[in-house]
Amino acid sequence: KAGVTQTPRYLIKTRGQQVTLSCSPISGHRSVSWYQQTPGQGLQFLFEYFSETQRNKGNFPGRFSGRQFSNSRSEMNVSTLELGDSALYLCASSSTGQGGTEAFFGQGTRLTVV
Amino acid sequence: TQLLEQSPQFLSIQEGENLTVYCNSSSVFSSLQWYRQEPGEGPVLLVTVVTGGEVKKLKRLTFQFGDARKDSSLHITAAQPGDTGLYLCAGVTGNQFYFGTGTSLTVIP
Repeated sequence: KAGVTQTPRYLIKTRGQQVTLSCSPISGHRSVSWYQQTPGQGLQFLFEYFSETQRNKGNFPGRFSGRQFSNSRSEMNVSTLELGDSALYLCASSSTGQGGTEAFFGQGTRLTVV
Repeated sequence: TQLLEQSPQFLSIQEGENLTVYCNSSSVFSSLQWYRQEPGEGPVLLVTVVTGGEVKKLKRLTFQFGDARKDSSLHITAAQPGDTGLYLCAGVTGNQFYFGTGTSLTVIP
């Protein structure tokens, strides 16, 4: 069974640009969550999608948005990039998103904003 | 808002030593999970504890869930260099995961 795939692995963008990250969950998983990981702030929850609907949202500005397609693949978009957006962006899929369910993580996309 | 605090934040020990990592919260969770993350990789689940007071052992790793389901600990016996990594606890409530601040462990050969 293929794991969670995130593309691209590395990305360098300039301040003010926008970026789109992609996540393909494990086959059959309908829940996809996105996290931002930085050395100072740890793992911060961005949002979760379940069956194409945003089910939960973290405390991030509106520049961060996402969507999920009918095949459960998800994309995350960040507009008007700032230097502070440099981070490792992790995607996790789970079968239901319920308590006790394991989150399977991708390898992440390392975004550097210069 | 960070709901889960881990301590210590950094830990560097010699191979063969024992260590304990703590995960504390003022919130009650339906379950608590521990993950290990290696450089360049995403976190990988080690264990899930569900019942208050539950103790689970995974080889040299012992996990405990607090009686009130608000805190947890991870104890490693005779640490090995392969245990090096970032350890994350995650409280689960409803359909959401709340991750701790992380403990970076380095085991020196």
